[in-house]
Amino acid sequence: KAGVTQTPRYLIKTRGQQVTLSCSPISGHRSVSWYQQTPGQGLQFLFEYFSETQRNKGNFPGRFSGRQFSNSRSEMNVSTLELGDSALYLCASSLGQGGSDEQFFGPGTRLTVL
Amino acid sequence: DAKTTQPNSMESNEEEPVHLPCNHSTISGTDYIHWYRQLPSQGPEYVIHGLTSNVNNRMASLAIAEDRKSSTLILHRATLRDAAVYYCILRDWRNAGNMLTFGGGTRLMVKP
Repeated sequence: KAGVTQTPRYLIKTRGQQVTLSCSPISGHRSVSWYQQTPGQGLQFLFEYFSETQRNKGNFPGRFSGRQFSNSRSEMNVSTLELGDSALYLCASSLGQGGSDEQFFGPGTRLTVL
Repeated sequence: DAKTTQPNSMESNEEEPVHLPCNHSTISGTDYIHWYRQLPSQGPEYVIHGLTSNVNNRMASLAIAEDRKSSTLILHRATLRDAAVYYCILRDWRNAGNMLTFGGGTRLMVKP
């Protein structure tokens, strides 16, 4: 079974631009979550989508948004990029069944903002 | 989700057992205890989870204290590939959402 894939793997943008990252979950998984990882803040939850609806949201500004398509693939968008948005962005997929659910992470997209 | 406390780092010798502790004194009766690890340059990966009883799988064992206020992840024979950051996370089974709250984790170093 194919794992979680994320594209692109690396991205370089300049301040003020916007960026879209893509995540393809494991087949049959309906939940996709996004995380930001930085050396200073560690791994932080951004949001979760389940059956095309945002189910949970972390404490990030409105510049960070996402969506999920009917095939469960998800995209996240960051508008008006800031230097502090440089990070590894990880997505994770799961069946979406709650507290005992195992999440499968992708390799991440490394975003550098210059 | 309730908070967990882990040592910042631990060191082990290859082929010896490793016991990674986690304190979660404010755990509620509906919290599962999950462990994930993150190898260098990779996304986190699931290791094991449990509710009240000790659990074993092909990767590790999870020992849960009787009062559930602490747990220990046991790697029976550490290999160099086990060098990673290990995260202990509590998840409420009543919450259908998938939001993992990562702390700082324990960085495990394995010496050959």
